[in-house]
Amino acid sequence: DTGVSQDPRHKITKRGQNVTFRCDPISEHNRLYWYRQTLGQGPEFLTYFQNEAQLEKSRLLSDRFSAERPKGSFSTLEIQRTEQGDSAMYLCASSPTLAGGPYNEQFFGPGTRLTVL
Amino acid sequence: TQLLEQSPQFLSIQEGENLTVYCNSSSVFSSLQWYRQEPGEGPVLLVTVVTGGEVKKLKRLTFQFGDARKDSSLHITAAQPGDTGLYLCAGGDNYGQNFVFGPGTRLSVLP
Repeated sequence: DTGVSQDPRHKITKRGQNVTFRCDPISEHNRLYWYRQTLGQGPEFLTYFQNEAQLEKSRLLSDRFSAERPKGSFSTLEIQRTEQGDSAMYLCASSPTLAGGPYNEQFFGPGTRLTVL
Repeated sequence: TQLLEQSPQFLSIQEGENLTVYCNSSSVFSSLQWYRQEPGEGPVLLVTVVTGGEVKKLKRLTFQFGDARKDSSLHITAAQPGDTGLYLCAGGDNYGQNFVFGPGTRLSVLP
């Protein structure tokens, strides 16, 4: 297993276009998280999945954002009608569910850097 | 809403010096994690602390969780240029929810 992978690594788009990012978690991990990170800031939580169920969504996740994890494996994050303010690094992380253990050990992918012109 | 603060925001030191960075909150966390992030990459997990007062060592890095589980510190001994990066603390509850990151401490170790 090579860890969490994300595709693409970089995306440049024009304002108003739709973009979709993919995340492949570590295979045995059933939790998957999406974050957004802007320059000089820590990652901001967007949403997370337990298997295929989307259990929590941040208020940061406007209705232009949608995430899916249809088979409980890979996940996609789509941004519709992109705005310049959407420019950021989009990070995906996965974690196992360990009974009685620290649930929060998250392993991150390399991120997708989005630039909206 | 749980918030994490980190200090200092920036730190620039010479190779061989020691340093400590801090992560503080008014909230209690079931666990805290420390990550290091290099430019253009995702954060890499360094350690998880779960018990109040816990101390963990990772080579030249020493992590401590406060007794009340509201704060944590990271001490680096004899810093090296390879330690350069953004150090992030993060915490949440036992259910993987309410997970928040601090804004990070950007460390630069000069040769």
